[in-house]
Amino acid sequence: GAGVSQSPSNKVTEKGKDVELRCDPISGHTALYWYRQSLGQGLEFLIYFQGNSAPDKSGLPSDRFSAERTGGSVSTLTIQRTQQEDSAVYLCASSLELAGGRGEQFFGPGTRLTVL
Amino acid sequence: AQTVTQSQPEMSVQEAETVTLSCTYDTSENNYYLFWYKQPPSRQMILVIRQEAYKQQNATENRFSVNFQKAAKSFSLKISDSQLGDTAMYFCAFMKNQFYFGTGTSLTVIP
Repeated sequence: GAGVSQSPSNKVTEKGKDVELRCDPISGHTALYWYRQSLGQGLEFLIYFQGNSAPDKSGLPSDRFSAERTGGSVSTLTIQRTQQEDSAVYLCASSLELAGGRGEQFFGPGTRLTVL
Repeated sequence: AQTVTQSQPEMSVQEAETVTLSCTYDTSENNYYLFWYKQPPSRQMILVIRQEAYKQQNATENRFSVNFQKAAKSFSLKISDSQLGDTAMYFCAFMKNQFYFGTGTSLTVIP
C-alpha cells in the first residue's frame, strides 16, 4: 500500500529564496507531523495537524516557517528567505489517530534541503 | 513537558551478539506510549517496537525486545543476534498527545 510520500527528495536553493516542501500522508490518517533533522541530530518537532483542530505550531523556529494542510490531506511546509542554517532533512509523518489511539507514526523518506 | 534521553550517542556490536540501547524519559503522565524507531542510511524511519505504558509485559518483536521499567521511567531496547542490517540510528520516542524523540543512538554492527 502507499506510504507517506514527500517531494522533492532533494532541494538545493540559494540563500534568501523561498522553498515549498510537500507531504502526502497515508489516506485516512488524521494526524500529520513535520520534523527537522539536522546532520547527525535527532528529530526536532516543527508542527502538527490533527483533524480540523488548529495546528500546534509551537516547534516552528521562526516566522519564516509556515505550514498548511489542505482538505485534511496534503501538507506544504514553506520556508521563506532561506538561511544556511535551514539546511537539514525535513521529515513528514502521519498517524491514524492521536489522543487515545495507538499513535504509531509512519514516516516519509524526507526532503534534504541544502541552502547555499 | 516530556523529555526523552538517550545517553549513548554511538554503539557497536559484533554480528550475532546482543546489544542493549538505553532510553529514559521524564513525565508526570500515567498512560502513554513508547516507541523505538530505526533510521538506516536510506533515511526512512521505521517502527521497530511499541509499548503501551499500561501493559506490564515487555513488548517483543522477533529479535527485538524491550525492558520497560515504568517506575524508573526506563525503556531500553535489546537486539539479539545482531545482523549487519541492524546498522542504523535508533530513536526512542514518547507519545502522549504529541511525540517526543530522543537524540538517537548510532548503532554499528561489525562483521
